[in-house]
Amino acid sequence: EAQLLESGGGLVQPGGSLRLSCAASGFTFRSQAMSWVRQAPGKGLEWVSTIDISGGYTHYTASVEGRFTISRDNSKNTLYLQMNGLRAEDTALYYCAKDYSNYVGSMDVWGQGTRVAVTS
Amino acid sequence: EVVMTQSPATLSVSPGERATLSCRASQSVNSNLAWYQQKPGQAPRLLISAASTRATGLPARFGGSGSGTEFTLTISSLQSEDFAVYYCQQYNNWPRTFGQGTKVEIK
Repeated sequence: EAQLLESGGGLVQPGGSLRLSCAASGFTFRSQAMSWVRQAPGKGLEWVSTIDISGGYTHYTASVEGRFTISRDNSKNTLYLQMNGLRAEDTALYYCAKDYSNYVGSMDVWGQGTRVAVTS
Repeated sequence: EVVMTQSPATLSVSPGERATLSCRASQSVNSNLAWYQQKPGQAPRLLISAASTRATGLPARFGGSGSGTEFTLTISSLQSEDFAVYYCQQYNNWPRTFGQGTKVEIK
């Protein structure tokens, strides 16, 4: 069974940094594009970033471009999200998700999320 | 950016009745559209990809249709476990975008 387990969330001051991790199991991680999606408290889903299978292509939502970096280590079956210059509006539950396929950008496996709170 | 607009925001339905949820894209997304279900305290669950392809194991009462800019998720006979929030998402263009969600509640 495919599973994703996020970690690394926490409480951070504005301007601070965090690195989220997502450990994958039960599927061939190196063959799947991966994404981060976030959900602010009481709000809807917001796509954050996607990385292709090799890590050579990445995409970001405009509000995090230049501050967040998605990466992956296929030898460790782990996805990362380095978050710098954090703002109050980045406060959310961050989900790691597996793309359905390299040609279909729906997301068919989700972790349970890790919480990020940005507050002074 | 493709803006996804879902309607209605809240849908009140009795168990056993049919629910019809709409999703409109601000420009064509072809058939590159997904539907998700989210229950309180849970991660989203993929229901539909490619506008109409059901996820593995999804009951047949869930159906997706549409292409271009107009899409529909239909739940033919609502069961108690179907009361949740439903989101559409396009993956035709970057950035990927979600609709704001439709809450299906018990009438």
